[in-house]
Order: sequence, then structure tokens, then C-alpha cells
Amino acid sequence: QVKLVESGGGVVQPGMSLRLSCAASGFTFSTYGMHWVRQAPGKGLEWVAIIRYDGKNEDYADSVKGRFTISRDNSKNTLYLQMNSLRAEDTAMYYCARDFKKGSYFDDWGQGTLVTVSS
Amino acid sequence: EIVLTQSPATLSLSPGERATLSCRASQSVSSYLAWYQQKPGQAPRLLIYDTSNRATGIPARFSGSGSGTDFTLTISSLETEDFAVYYCQQRSNWPRTFGGGTKVEIK
Repeated sequence: QVKLVESGGGVVQPGMSLRLSCAASGFTFSTYGMHWVRQAPGKGLEWVAIIRYDGKNEDYADSVKGRFTISRDNSKNTLYLQMNSLRAEDTAMYYCARDFKKGSYFDDWGQGTLVTVSS
Repeated sequence: EIVLTQSPATLSLSPGERATLSCRASQSVSSYLAWYQQKPGQAPRLLIYDTSNRATGIPARFSGSGSGTDFTLTISSLETEDFAVYYCQQRSNWPRTFGGGTKVEIK
């Protein structure tokens, strides 16, 4: 079955960087677009970024554009999120999610990795 | 950006009762709306996509309806495992956006 396992979260100071990873298994990773979605503590869901199945196109929420970079390594079945210039408002659980219906919805999710930005 | 407003914020019901959750969009999303369920400490789960299509493995007691700007998720008879937070999400425009959620709690 589909399995997505995020890692790389932790506590960082404002302005610092962090790279999240998402290891995928149970499906042909290289044929699916992938997303990052985040959820601040006690809050709702916010879409963060998408990357096409072949890594050749990506898009971002305005709140992270220019600071975050989504990438993937299809040879390692792994999705990444490079987060630079982190702010307190980036504190959230970060989920990787598999794309469903070509950039439309999210049909499988990891359990998330928590990022806390605090001085 | 399309804003999705969910109501009510909290719904207090008993097992076996019918739950009706609402999602209103700030502009038309056609039929491009999904619903997710999230339980405490868990990731969201896709329930319904494109307004009324159940995702794989979702029980028939979950149904969706609506079009344009007004949508409804109905749970015909609540089971204990259905008490959770429900989010709507649109795919009409970028960025993809979610509603603020409706918590279905045990009365």
C-alpha cells in the first residue's frame, strides 16, 4: 500500500533553514505529482507547494514563494522541501501528499513532520 | 484566492444521527470541490472529490452535493469513528485552498 514518511522537522531559529524529506513507497513514485501541505498548531490546512511527476514544473503558495523550494529524486523515491529564511508563522506540521487528478486533490498523506520556528 | 467558509464550526450530534456540513466558496468552483476527514493526531483522509465522488474505500454513508458556490457533505448515520474534523478544498483555481473546518463532536 501507499506509504509516505516525512522527516527532517525540528526546532530552528527565525532566519534559519531546514530541509524536509518524504520517503515514498508502495506506488510508482515517478509517475505522480507530489505536494507539501502544512497545518499550524490547532489551525486548518494550507497548501504549500506542488511538483510535477518529472520534477520539471513546480508552484508555490505566495506565503512561501522565494523562500521554499520543492524538489524530488525519482531514483530515491524521495520528495524534498528546502525551507530558507524561516519565520515564526512557518511553524506547522508539514505533510507530504500524493497528487490526485493532476494537481487537483491529495489522495494519500504522510503522518507529518513538525517544524517549530522560535528564538 | 478562493476563500472557502465552512459552517457550522462545531456540530454536536449523537451516533446514528444525520450530519449536514456546509462549505461556501467566495466565487464559483464549478463542481471542483473535495472533502477530507481528520482525526486527532492523524493526517487528513480524502473522502469525496469533484463534489460527489467517494474516494476509494469510503463508506456509502458519506455523500456530497452542490455546485458553484454552495456544497454539502452529508453523513447519513453517524458512526463513532466519524467524530472528527472535516475540511473542504477547491481545485478550481491556484492556489488550492481549504475551508477552516467543521468539528463533528459527540453530543
